[in-house]
Amino acid sequence: DAGVIQSPRHEVTEMGQEVTLRCKPISGHNSLFWYRQTMMRGLELLIYFNNNVPIDDSGMPEDRFSAKMPNASFSTLKIQPSEPRDSAVYFCASSLGTGIPYEQYFGPGTRLTVT
Amino acid sequence: DQQVKQNSPSLSVQEGRISILNCDYTNSMFDYFLWYKKYPAEGPTFLISISSIKDKNEDGRFTVFLNKSAKHLSLHIVPSQPGDSAVYFCAALDDKIIFGKGTRLHILP
Repeated sequence: DAGVIQSPRHEVTEMGQEVTLRCKPISGHNSLFWYRQTMMRGLELLIYFNNNVPIDDSGMPEDRFSAKMPNASFSTLKIQPSEPRDSAVYFCASSLGTGIPYEQYFGPGTRLTVT
Repeated sequence: DQQVKQNSPSLSVQEGRISILNCDYTNSMFDYFLWYKKYPAEGPTFLISISSIKDKNEDGRFTVFLNKSAKHLSLHIVPSQPGDSAVYFCAALDDKIIFGKGTRLHILP
């Protein structure tokens, strides 16, 4: 298996532009997670899906952020409009479930820079 | 307020010696704890976990200890090897997973 695939790996955009991050989870996994990593706040859970349904989006910072999972093999995280403080590494992870044991497999991340 | 705290941003250990990474938590409802390891430009990878009903779990060179009364867990790596140089994240689970900010471990030759 190729593991969790994220694209793009790097994104540089100007403030105010729309940014879309993409994720393909591991085949057969039914839970998908979006995280943001910054120096100040570490690794934060933004939202997670179970069987394509959003379960908890309490970590989404504000309405500029939205996430979708139209099918079991694809998810997007969209920021519109983007701001410089959104600059971070965004990780997608997938797992076989949300219960115990609870091993998530992370993608390589997307490094977002908003200027 | 941080529910999972890794108070040491970095740690340097001589190759062959023991590395001890510490983690404190505030929520007594956490029922499962995990350690993840992260290399630069890669996503975190699962390392080892422990249930709240146990106080120790061992996997090769890695051992996690849990002290529930102190709300403290630690990861021991012995002997430390150069490939262990990475950022280590402690995480805790109740209805969702919460990560600490990480500790960067440097293994010195």
